[in-house]
Amino acid sequence: NAGVTQTPKFQVLKTGQSMTLQCAQDMNHNSMYWYRQDPGMGLRLIYYSASEGTTDKGEVPNGYNVSRLNKREFSLRLESAAPSQTSVYFCASSEGTGDMYEQYFGPGTRLTVT
Amino acid sequence: QKEVEQNSGPLSVPEGAIASLNCTYSDRGSQSFFWYRQYSGKSPELIMSIYSNGDKEDGRFTAQLNKASQYVSLLIRDSQPSDSATYLCAVGGGGYQKVTFGTGTKLQVIP
Repeated sequence: NAGVTQTPKFQVLKTGQSMTLQCAQDMNHNSMYWYRQDPGMGLRLIYYSASEGTTDKGEVPNGYNVSRLNKREFSLRLESAAPSQTSVYFCASSEGTGDMYEQYFGPGTRLTVT
Repeated sequence: QKEVEQNSGPLSVPEGAIASLNCTYSDRGSQSFFWYRQYSGKSPELIMSIYSNGDKEDGRFTAQLNKASQYVSLLIRDSQPSDSATYLCAVGGGGYQKVTFGTGTKLQVIP
């Protein structure tokens, strides 16, 4: 049981390049989330998916797109990377039903845009 | 805009003491409350969740919730150097999938 996995762990991009961050969970959770974490800013929600087939914007969605490929996988795409997108990106998942809103996080992707 | 406020610290406590971490939130409709621990360079790790007013204990950790005062706290008894980390408070609404995170309090446990 690996929990939440993310690839890649590190990435360096040049301004204007594109990339996709991958996330998968094996806990049969309904909901999945993408956050970014910047010094002094805390965790900020980029996009989330309450259930398979649905996605919705979070606090900072500009410059990103997401795909909920199936129940297990939720990807985040940067179409044209900018230096302001240099950050640590975390994927998380939760049961998302009843009272089970605890979120479990992946190890993160450290992205630098030059 | 929901807000979750934490003192950034660092909060320094001697080994064996009780560490008290505090969090206030702005949305009176909030119904789910979480504490995460984050070591430097690592991802957040859930340590406590609390949904009802009062105290909830799990080992050396006690979460306290006071909805009337919009206040949630985390007590760590018999603090150990391995408890040194940043502690994130997170708050969510009832029947709602999203939570809002505070910026975290850095705890240093001095041997």
